[in-house]
Amino acid sequence: GAVVSQHPSRVICKSGTSVKIECRSLDFQATTMFWYRQFPKKSLMLMATSNEGSKATYEQGVEKDKFLINHASLTLSTLTVTSAHPEDSSFYICSALTSGTTYEQYFGPGTRLTVT
Amino acid sequence: QKEVEQDPGPLSVPEGAIVSLNCTYSNSAFQYFMWYRQYSRKGPELLMYTYSSGNKEDGRFTAQVDKSSKYISLFIRDSQPSDSATYLCAMSASNTGKLIFGQGTTLQVKP
Repeated sequence: GAVVSQHPSRVICKSGTSVKIECRSLDFQATTMFWYRQFPKKSLMLMATSNEGSKATYEQGVEKDKFLINHASLTLSTLTVTSAHPEDSSFYICSALTSGTTYEQYFGPGTRLTVT
Repeated sequence: QKEVEQDPGPLSVPEGAIVSLNCTYSNSAFQYFMWYRQYSRKGPELLMYTYSSGNKEDGRFTAQVDKSSKYISLFIRDSQPSDSATYLCAMSASNTGKLIFGQGTTLQVKP
């Protein structure tokens, strides 16, 4: 299957700082990428949909000024958590949608964010 | 009522057993149905994808979709300890990629 990478896999930052998470599709082009948040023993919660070359679409309740998403190319999307707070600590996962006639979404390995 | 309901388990079975995992949903517009496997602290891995109703088989895995009952299932034959993971169902009403996930069922296959 298609491969999606995320960097970093784990990050610890201080409260009030910003942190950037990268999501890359390694062997395919993805016009659409998604960002999810997952709490322990909970399901994935969609945060936003990222389309290459256009503004991201955020889900209800997700602060767009806090979670900045940029989809600069067909293989890279970034999520920046600005002015991080301890409650932003979570597991962030991206996914990429393959194009063409099949509909398959592939997930990255996730990024564990801890805000101290 | 949640759009997608999935029993979180945990489900514990002996090695070699047939495992049945299920999800129910309320949105009749859902047409795309997926099953993902997620190991601890890892991203979900796509196992099966089905469009509309019917069955799909891939090795030891069989996915079934019954749209009339709004019910989907994943069967795992000859379960192995390496199948121990959380299984998430996911579905979508369109091909835009926006998925609605179930809570996930934790499966443990004991040797």
